[in-house]
Amino acid sequence: AQTVTQSQPEMSVQEAETVTLSCTYDTSESDYYLFWYKQPPSRQMILVIRQEAYKQQNATENRFSVNFQKAAKSFSLKISDSQLGDAAMYFCAYTWETSGSRLTFGEGTQLTVNP
Amino acid sequence: DVKVTQSSRYLVKRTGEKVFLECVQDMDHENMFWYRQDPGLGLRLIYFSYDVKMKEKGDIPEGYSVSREKKERFSLILESASTNQTSMYLCASSLKGSGNQPQHFGDGTRLSIL
Repeated sequence: AQTVTQSQPEMSVQEAETVTLSCTYDTSESDYYLFWYKQPPSRQMILVIRQEAYKQQNATENRFSVNFQKAAKSFSLKISDSQLGDAAMYFCAYTWETSGSRLTFGEGTQLTVNP
Repeated sequence: DVKVTQSSRYLVKRTGEKVFLECVQDMDHENMFWYRQDPGLGLRLIYFSYDVKMKEKGDIPEGYSVSREKKERFSLILESASTNQTSMYLCASSLKGSGNQPQHFGDGTRLSIL
């Protein structure tokens, strides 16, 4: 069974600092995709970044980057120069090639940004 | 921009009632999904649909059913609501294709069953 685990229920960071959110997953699939979604208090889920498993290069989107360790089945999110607007619940999610895009989510990490 | 609209932001119902949660998307997406979000559990898939009149069970389908009569609309039905179905419900849609098609989410319905 495919599972996604986020071991940090809560994290905090000072504004302008860097924070890393952890995610591990378990799968027997060879073709799969990993995502980080952000859910602010408004409740709108927003896609932050995605990674194709066949790509060795780590994905980046502005201040957001991932550290994808395929052998270790680890997919962490690094937020650089943290801003107050980054405060949200962050979910790691996984899907595989033949899944029809259905997502399996982790438990979530609540990120607080301190001014 | 893709717009996924859920009919209610907050809903309060009584035990035993039949409850309908409606979701409409405006981007002609083939795939639609219903998730349930609970603290400490993340989002869990209830049902999904690849096409009109087609449905597939997700990870926690018990106590729920769905209906997709039109491509843009996907309804979640609680046949006889129970207190353990108090939760946040999120609808999503995506294009048909490989697994890398991102899902677009609605704002969620916070459902309370009394």
